[in-house]
Amino acid sequence: AQRVTQPEKLLSVFKGAPVELKCNYSYSGSPELFWYVQYSRQRLQLLLRHISRESIKGFTADLNKGETSFHLKKPFAQEEDSAMYYCALKTSYDKVIFGPGTSLSVIP
Amino acid sequence: DTAVSQTPKYLVTQMGNDKSIKCEQNLGHDTMYWYKQDSKKFLKIMFSYNNKELIINETVPNRFSPKSPDKAHLNLHINSLELGDSAVYFCASSQGGLAGGGNEQFFGPGTRLTVL
Repeated sequence: AQRVTQPEKLLSVFKGAPVELKCNYSYSGSPELFWYVQYSRQRLQLLLRHISRESIKGFTADLNKGETSFHLKKPFAQEEDSAMYYCALKTSYDKVIFGPGTSLSVIP
Repeated sequence: DTAVSQTPKYLVTQMGNDKSIKCEQNLGHDTMYWYKQDSKKFLKIMFSYNNKELIINETVPNRFSPKSPDKAHLNLHINSLELGDSAVYFCASSQGGLAGGGNEQFFGPGTRLTVL
């Protein structure tokens, strides 16, 4: 079954602390994974994708096929990082499955 | 300049009514999508159209009917609205579906539908 899980519905960290948003997936094919972010009163937008291996706004995510994970990390959280984060899996049928989302709150 | 736009932004209506939500993209993309975000913020794909052709049709009630007059537009028509249809509906677009290259989806601002 194709599935994306994000175990934390809510995550609060202090400003300057490291943050890790967990994502695990279940997919028998070759996965393509994304992180999308939705800031307050803004539309959902792409944060990063695993094939790019890029760092965006200080965030990185590494695909670990052995652990079927794609955790999102940032060494020093900022207040402007407070948002809803969705992990997403693209299947070979052009379907994107979103995880349930994690609401990140960065405490000043 | 808006890449993906939706109208209306808010829609409040009575149970049993029929309503439409419009979506337009000016990015030249050939694939468009409709997603439903429920009260718990869970986001689920409903439909996907590529060049006006239905590609993905998830298990949604047949009261929901997408219509794509051209590849820049994908409208969502909902018949006989029910309380459970209350949600935020997002339109999105991408180039070339999402095949190969992991193309990004661009989302609209959402339409908050409230059924009374």
